[in-house]
Amino acid sequence: AQSVTQPDIHITVSEGASLELRCNYSYGATPYLFWYVQSPGQGLQLLLKYFSGDTLVQGIKGFEAEFKRSQSSFNLRKPSVHWSDAAEYFCAVGPRGGNKLVFGAGTILRVKS
Amino acid sequence: EPEVTQTPSHQVTQMGQEVILRCVPISNHLYFYWYRQILGQKVEFLVSFYNNEISEKSEIFDDQFSVERPDGSNFTLKIRSTKLEDSAMYFCASNPRGLVSHEQFFGPGTRLTVL
Repeated sequence: AQSVTQPDIHITVSEGASLELRCNYSYGATPYLFWYVQSPGQGLQLLLKYFSGDTLVQGIKGFEAEFKRSQSSFNLRKPSVHWSDAAEYFCAVGPRGGNKLVFGAGTILRVKS
Repeated sequence: EPEVTQTPSHQVTQMGQEVILRCVPISNHLYFYWYRQILGQKVEFLVSFYNNEISEKSEIFDDQFSVERPDGSNFTLKIRSTKLEDSAMYFCASNPRGLVSHEQFFGPGTRLTVL
């Protein structure tokens, strides 16, 4: 069955530490891949996307993500986390030939000072 | 920068009442969507809309739901007879090119509370 998995429900990191949020997908063909961020009471903001080409994509706010076909993964990374990065992060996939996004369950990031 | 807007930000209604959630997509976008997020759960696709008709809908989008683009700017979601389980955050999204890119721009959401 097609699915998107974010195995970590909560992650806590210290300010200034590096961050990696995991995302795995299960689809027949490589879908379009996205990371969104949702701050409390806010909507969904696109951080970055992968359609094709270079497997390391850069996004806003210093985030990057790497697509690994062999692992069906699209993990989000940031080398140094800021307190303002505390939010919920959603991985989403858009099946090629489809017309919707399928979201993972989300990972809540807490940043401790 | 253009953005998707939604009104109201919070809607409280009694069970069985009709509600209409409103969205103004980005002006040159062609595809429009509604998603919902029940508190503490993942964001779920409801419906997509293109060229004045539904292009895809989920199992959630039953006969109680309808969408409309009544004019050149608004995109609405109607729930005819609300249930307690319809309480959720409803997000509108739009996409400039649809199938080609899937890049969807989301509005801030409408929180619907059904009492």
